[in-house]
Amino acid sequence: AQSVTQLDSQVPVFEEAPVELRCNYSSSVSVYLFWYVQYPNQGLQLLLKYLSGSTLVKGINGFEAEFNKSQTSFHLRKPSVHISDTAEYFCAVTDFGNEKLTFGTGTRLTIIP
Amino acid sequence: DTGVSQNPRHKITKRGQNVTFRCDPISEHNRLYWYRQTLGQGPEFLTYFQNEAQLEKSRLLSDRFSAERPKGSFSTLEIQRTEQGDSAMYLCASSLESALNTEAFFGQGTRLTVV
Repeated sequence: AQSVTQLDSQVPVFEEAPVELRCNYSSSVSVYLFWYVQYPNQGLQLLLKYLSGSTLVKGINGFEAEFNKSQTSFHLRKPSVHISDTAEYFCAVTDFGNEKLTFGTGTRLTIIP
Repeated sequence: DTGVSQNPRHKITKRGQNVTFRCDPISEHNRLYWYRQTLGQGPEFLTYFQNEAQLEKSRLLSDRFSAERPKGSFSTLEIQRTEQGDSAMYLCASSLESALNTEAFFGQGTRLTVV
């Protein structure tokens, strides 16, 4: 069975500072990894995904993530955050051939002006 | 086609009543998923369809829940005899089956409150 752990439930960051949101997963098979963002009372929007190839993945809104197989991690980073990045961020995993997603519990990113 | 559409956006119902939600996926997408998200949690998988066939159901989907996707287009999720524990955001997503896993596009969700 797969699982996703997002250790930080809340992360406050000053505007224009860098941020890293942590995600660790467990799976007995090869996986695809995703980061989604959810704004208040909205659905989920895909930020980026890792399917194969380069372990550094770039997404929308200046976010990037690095897949580390040995540490089973897929941490999300942004070098300089903006007020508009305030949202809930979810890491998710699915294994090859199984497209249902298993989500973490989310990290609420709050940007401090 | 502007994406996955869910109706209604909000639903308040009394305990014991039945409710039905609708999801219209992106038109060319053959896979459709339902997830449930409770406060402070990530979405949890409920069920998914490939075309009109319901291929997998989670243990979370009790016998009070039923989902359909007639003709492989829109889908409905019905909850019978609602309970307060059913209060949650119900999310629908769709994707296009391909050799390489692709993105699931989510709707804005239906927020159910059972009073």
